[in-house]
Amino acid sequence: QKEVEQDPGPLSVPEGAIVSLNCTYSNSAFQYFMWYRQYSRKGPELLMYTYSSGNKEDGRFTAQVDKSSKYISLFIRDSQPSDSATYLCAIGTTDSWGKLQFGAGTQVVVTP
Amino acid sequence: GAVVSQHPSWVICKSGTSVKIECRSLDFQATTMFWYRQFPKQSLMLMATSNEGSKATYEQGVEKDKFLINHASLTLSTLTVTSAHPEDSSFYICSASASTGGRGYTFGSGTRLTVV
Repeated sequence: QKEVEQDPGPLSVPEGAIVSLNCTYSNSAFQYFMWYRQYSRKGPELLMYTYSSGNKEDGRFTAQVDKSSKYISLFIRDSQPSDSATYLCAIGTTDSWGKLQFGAGTQVVVTP
Repeated sequence: GAVVSQHPSWVICKSGTSVKIECRSLDFQATTMFWYRQFPKQSLMLMATSNEGSKATYEQGVEKDKFLINHASLTLSTLTVTSAHPEDSSFYICSASASTGGRGYTFGSGTRLTVV
């Protein structure tokens, strides 16, 4: 069983819709949670970062963590064609900073 | 903000040759850098942790003699793929941080290696 599970998609949504992405993880030792956006043939770009259960909002992005269920989500409001990319969840522990376990990535396509 | 530069962005080499990939932290010093590998439509897999001034720590299943890592300064780590074969063709990405804490890790733009 992979430590982080993420549906690879693709997920196609019309412009303006809400994009909903999620990951599940198996190890309760994971302590911080991140979402990255990756355009084709580029390195990942950090979107959201959180330690705790609950919601964190930044502009059109909302990250949600439920540690009891080992479930994390990313919501993108008012999606734009420029949001078309692969979104990766990543999780880590504070005793191994920087060593991240990534989900497979979900390809998102926002159609005009 | 923290910038990590990776070079080259793409490289094609013949089977049996070696290729060196550089990862530089441009505006900060990085005692630790990480090297990842990504196959098409798959996620990033951590290969090794590069520590300035000491030997790299490799993840299970990664051949240390094939993927040589050198972190000779606080701003430069290199990954050398030795005796490359077509199955080594992949997207290699490094990450680095000026400080501890997950938020701080910035990724390079990646190197696409094609072995023919």
